[in-house]
Amino acid sequence: GQQLNQNPQSMFIQEGEDVSMNCTSSSIFNTWLWYKQDPGEGPVLLIALYKAGELTSNGRLTAQFGITRKDSFLNISASIPSDVGIYFCAGRNSGAGSYQLTFGKGTKLSVIP
Amino acid sequence: DTGVSQDPRHKITKRGQNVTFRCDPISEHNRLYWYRQTLGQGPEFLTYFQNEAQLEKSRLLSDRFSAERPKGSFSTLEIQRTEQGDSAMYLCASSSTSGGPGEQFFGPGTRLTVL
Repeated sequence: GQQLNQNPQSMFIQEGEDVSMNCTSSSIFNTWLWYKQDPGEGPVLLIALYKAGELTSNGRLTAQFGITRKDSFLNISASIPSDVGIYFCAGRNSGAGSYQLTFGKGTKLSVIP
Repeated sequence: DTGVSQDPRHKITKRGQNVTFRCDPISEHNRLYWYRQTLGQGPEFLTYFQNEAQLEKSRLLSDRFSAERPKGSFSTLEIQRTEQGDSAMYLCASSSTSGGPGEQFFGPGTRLTVL
């Protein structure tokens, strides 16, 4: 099935550094979401975005809904060891009345203490 | 615990056997979703229920797969005549009409291994 392009695929950073990752699509979405998944667990919702250009924060996390509606960005400031995990973007296009989410392949984040 | 629950968490079966998974959504969530996730990939949509009605099905949901939500609460996903390619994490999610559109909350998943 269709998947979104997430970059980078993986990253190693020092504790305290800021992190940036992005997600792009060939299709327009009207909802973008960011999830974090730990090994053996289900994804946990971090941030939801509903409007092009929207910038939303959740603690140290900030996400943006791209103006073209074909991309989204996630930033993590002052990383800590518990930020380790896989971050997934997901998009939804409700234009056709669909509720399914389309996911990226994830960005694996490793934090070096 | 008021989150989405799934049972079992792990299932090992032999090729050709049938398996059934259960999902209990967040209380009062009327929308329920099933996704499949293979190693190194993001979740892929399988099907969606609103109350007891199955409203969307992915082409990934072959005729060996069937999902039900008979009373609009818990849901079951059955795979008949399992194949090795069915090995994956099966994730259930739920959402409510009063929450943000698209905000789906996931359970811990059922890890299926087909030998």
